[in-house]
Amino acid sequence: EAGVAQSPRYKIIEKRQSVAFWCNPISGHATLYWYQQILGQGPKLLIQFQNNGVVDDSQLPKDRFSAERLKGVDSTLKIQPAKLEDSAVYLCASSTDSNQPQHFGDGTRLSIL
Amino acid sequence: AQSVSQHNHHVILSEAASLELGCNYSYGGTVNLFWYVQYPGQHLQLLLKYFSGDPLVKGIKGFEAEFIKSKFSFNLRKPSVQWSDTAEYFCAVNQISSGSARQLTFGSGTQLTVLP
Repeated sequence: EAGVAQSPRYKIIEKRQSVAFWCNPISGHATLYWYQQILGQGPKLLIQFQNNGVVDDSQLPKDRFSAERLKGVDSTLKIQPAKLEDSAVYLCASSTDSNQPQHFGDGTRLSIL
Repeated sequence: AQSVSQHNHHVILSEAASLELGCNYSYGGTVNLFWYVQYPGQHLQLLLKYFSGDPLVKGIKGFEAEFIKSKFSFNLRKPSVQWSDTAEYFCAVNQISSGSARQLTFGSGTQLTVLP
C-alpha cells in the first residue's frame, strides 16, 4: 500500500512570502489531517477534513492559513503571508475514518528567513 | 482543553536495559490512546493503540503499554531495548464524544537513545 505523499520535502522562504504544501492521502482514506510540528514539540492539529468537508479547524490561524480538499482526495495547505513563527514541519495524515489510527506522510520542513 | 504529558524529554539506555516511558492525559471521559514512533529520517508510525478491552496492549517490535484509567496514564514499556529502538516516541490521545473521535492531541515526545 502506498503511503501518504507530501511535497515539497523542504521549503525556504522569506517572511511575508506565501507558500503552499500538497498532500495525497492513502487511497480510500476519507479523513485527512494537517498538523504543524514545531521543533521540540508534538504535532498540533491544524485542520481535519472528512471527504471534502471541514470537520475541525479550530486551531487553524485563519488570518494567514488556508486549506482545501476540493475533490475529497488531494489537499493543499497555504500560508500567506508567512511569519517567522511558522517555521515548522507540516505533516499530512489520513485515515479510513476519524475513529481509526492515522497514517502520516514524511512532512514538509518549512524555514522562514 | 485536553493535554498530554510525557515525563521524559530524553532517555538514554544501554542495550538490553528495560524501558518505561510515561504518558499522562487530562481528559476524564472516554479516550482512544496511541503510541507513535519516529525513527531517524522516517515518518511517524503507529506502535500500538488502545480503544477498549484488555488494558494491556501489545504492539510491534516487543513494545507494550498499559492503560490505567484511574491514573489517566498510558505508559510504554519494553523489557529489553535494542540499538534499533533509537527513535522519538510520541503518546497521543483522542477524546471520544458522541461515538466519534475528536482532535488527536500529542505529547511533546521522548527521544530514546540506545547505546550499543
